[in-house]
Amino acid sequence: EVQLVESGGGLVQPGASLKLSCVASGFTFSDYWMSWVRQTPGKTMEWIGDIKYDGSYTNYAPSLKNRFTISRDNAKSTLYLQMSNVRSEDTATYYCTILRDWYFDFWGPGTMVTVSS
Amino acid sequence: DIAITQSPSSVAVSVGETVTLSCKSSQSLLYSENNKDYLGWYQQKPGQTPKPLIYWATNRHTGVPDRFTGSGSGTDFTLIISSVQAEDLADYYCEQYFVYPYTFGAGTKLELK
Repeated sequence: EVQLVESGGGLVQPGASLKLSCVASGFTFSDYWMSWVRQTPGKTMEWIGDIKYDGSYTNYAPSLKNRFTISRDNAKSTLYLQMSNVRSEDTATYYCTILRDWYFDFWGPGTMVTVSS
Repeated sequence: DIAITQSPSSVAVSVGETVTLSCKSSQSLLYSENNKDYLGWYQQKPGQTPKPLIYWATNRHTGVPDRFTGSGSGTDFTLIISSVQAEDLADYYCEQYFVYPYTFGAGTKLELK
């Protein structure tokens, strides 16, 4: 059974850094591009970025690329999202997704990040 | 960025009725080399994670009931839900994956009368 489990969310102060993780199981992680998508409390969906199956290539939403970094460890079947200098507008639920044929084929349950002082 | 506009923002239907959701793109999502539209639909039930419904504008994801039908090409797309069931109560999002950055519509909320 395919599973994605995100973790690392929580309450964080503005300006801080945070690293989210997504542990994958039930499929060959190293065969797939992966992506992060977030959903604000107002339900707006935003694509954050994606990473090639071998970790050699990443793409980001232009508004986020200077603060967010996506990486992966295929030996651990884990996807990461490093967030820096977080802002209140980064408050959202962050989803890890599998990309298949460039659409979001499977989503994890998400981890919630709240940026507040 | 490609802008995706969904309408209506919400719609109320009775069980058994058919409903049509609209999704419009600010530019064509059709790739001429493979004749595919890079448009997906996702369903998010209350309190749940989004789930894929339709990809390539018209292909149902595995396990999706055939009462869900995606149609359209280029810039105009629709999701038709035939014989709506109570379990279809959800938010529906369309998303383009034609070019970066991938973008979503604001969603349509399906409510039951």
